[in-house]
Formats: sequence, structure tokens, C-alpha cells
Amino acid sequence: QKEVEQDPGPLSVPEGAIVSLNCTYSNSAFQYFMWYRQYSRKGPELLMYTYSSGNKEDGRFTAQVDKSSKYISLFIRDSQPSDSATYLCAMSAHGGSQGNLIFGKGTKLSVKP
Amino acid sequence: SQTIHQWPATLVQPVGSPLSLECTVEGTSNPNLYWYRQAAGRGLQLLFYSVGIGQISSEVPQNLSASRPQDRQFILSSKKLLLSDSGFYLCAGNRARDTEAFFGQGTRLTVV
Repeated sequence: QKEVEQDPGPLSVPEGAIVSLNCTYSNSAFQYFMWYRQYSRKGPELLMYTYSSGNKEDGRFTAQVDKSSKYISLFIRDSQPSDSATYLCAMSAHGGSQGNLIFGKGTKLSVKP
Repeated sequence: SQTIHQWPATLVQPVGSPLSLECTVEGTSNPNLYWYRQAAGRGLQLLFYSVGIGQISSEVPQNLSASRPQDRQFILSSKKLLLSDSGFYLCAGNRARDTEAFFGQGTRLTVV
């Protein structure tokens, strides 16, 4: 079993839809969780960062971590065509200088106008 | 804020030629620095990471090497490129106390 599993999609939704992106993981030691957005031919940019379990909201984006199920989610409300990108989850067991991130393979999202 | 500068954006090189990709960091000192390769459908593969000048850890044995001659400079090199070295190369960094990493805009390398 891979350490981090992420459905590659592609996922296509109409503008205004609520989008749910998910990752599962196997290493119970992971406690730092991130979501990155990557536009085509660009580097990933950090969207959300959470530590341990719980929810974090930033504008239209909500990150959710369920450590008991080893499952993390990113919700996008009122999706826009500009949200069309590949979304990568990432996680780490250690903070700071020991933190080599483990990435999912990314889910490609397309929001149609 | 921390910024990763990476160039060139696109590079086409013949098989057997050398490679040098440079990455510089602004906005922080003594960062951890990383080189990743991203292939379609395969996600991000960590190639090298560095916690300080002259300190390089290799994650995957291959045709590439890395060097860190200055605190905010990280270089990816090859003496002789292979076709299999083609890919999207990303430099990333984070402050020593942080977990999340920041990425450069990447270099798309095509070996022909």
C-alpha cells in the first residue's frame, strides 16, 4: 500500500459547484497536512496547512483532517473556472527541518463555466 | 515572505550533454532546500535535499547530482544527460522551523 493515495481524476464540475478532494494515508505518524494547487506548467503553491485533526477554513476553501480514519479532504465552495488546476495533498510526520513531505499524485480539477 | 527563483522555465538538451539548473531563495536564511522531479501520473519524486551549505542528501540514485555552494543557492547537475532525465524539475524550500515547503516555478527539461 502506498503511503499516500489520491484519486488522479480528472474531476469536472460546473461553475458554482462544491468540490470535494480527498487523500488517504497509511502512516499513523503523519500529523502535518497540506494542500497545494498547481496550475499547468507552474510550480505548486501552498493553499492550506493544518496540524493534527480538525477543520481549517480560508475563504472558499476548507481543509479537514480525520486522523482516526487516516483521511484528509479539501472542500472548495462556489467553485470558479480559475480553480481549474491539479491539487496535491502532502503530509509529514515531523515538523521543521526533519519535514520531508510525502505527496499524493494530485487530482486534476476542471471547473466549467 | 519566502520566494524560490528557478530558471530556465524550459530547456531542450541533447543526450550526453551536461546540465546545470540553478535555484535561489529570497526572504529567509538557512533554509532547507529540495529538488523534486515531477512526471505525469507519478507525482513528485524527491531527488535531493539540503539542510545547509555543502550538505546534500540523495534520495534516489541516478544520473544527477546536487550542490549547495551558498546558503541560498541550490544547483542540480548532470555530466551526461539521458533520455530518461526528461521531466519537470522543481526546487523547493522551507525555513528550518516550518514543515510546509514553497516551490519555484519549475524547469521543463526535454532531453532529445
